[in-house]
Amino acid sequence: NAGVTQTPKFQVLKTGQSMTLQCAQDMNHNSMYWYRQDPGMGLRLIYYSASEGTTDKGEVPNGYNVSRLNKREFSLRLESAAPSQTSVYFCASMLGGGAGETQYFGPGTRLLVL
Amino acid sequence: LAKTTQPISMDSYEGQEVNITCSHNNIATNDYITWYQQFPSQGPRFIIQGYKTKVTNEVASLFIPADRKSSTLSLPRVSLSDTAVYYCLVGDPNNNAGNMLTFGGGTRLMVKP
Repeated sequence: NAGVTQTPKFQVLKTGQSMTLQCAQDMNHNSMYWYRQDPGMGLRLIYYSASEGTTDKGEVPNGYNVSRLNKREFSLRLESAAPSQTSVYFCASMLGGGAGETQYFGPGTRLLVL
Repeated sequence: LAKTTQPISMDSYEGQEVNITCSHNNIATNDYITWYQQFPSQGPRFIIQGYKTKVTNEVASLFIPADRKSSTLSLPRVSLSDTAVYYCLVGDPNNNAGNMLTFGGGTRLMVKP
């Protein structure tokens, strides 16, 4: 049982390049989330997926797209990377609806946009 | 959006009890209060969760008053390894499904020898 896994662990991009961050969970959770964390700051929600087949915007969705490929996988895509997107990206999953439940986080992807 | 307010930072010494208070005035009836701990270069991890009154586990205690508009995380006898950022989290009261969870800025706890 690996929990939540993220790939890659670290990535350097040039401005304007695109990339997809991958996230997978093996806990049969329904909800999945993408957060970003800038240096010295708290986590901000980018997008979330309450269940397979649904996605919704969080606090800071601009510049990102997501795909809930199946129940296990939730990817985050940067179509045209900008230096402002330099951050650590965390994926998380949770069994269900939030009340009385907890999120499990992956190890993070460190992204540097030059 | 549900908002939480916590102190930005706290200092303590080894062996002391640390209490971190979180304000959440817009908490919804069905929302639970959850605290997470985050070490540098790691994702947050669950510490404790509660709905009302007091909850205790092997790591911490959580005190929630009757109006539920605040909560206090209590760490007994902290050690250097408790140096971390602590986040208080509640569900979004504007989201009936409760799926959208918002982190605040967290409290940076520094434990000194």
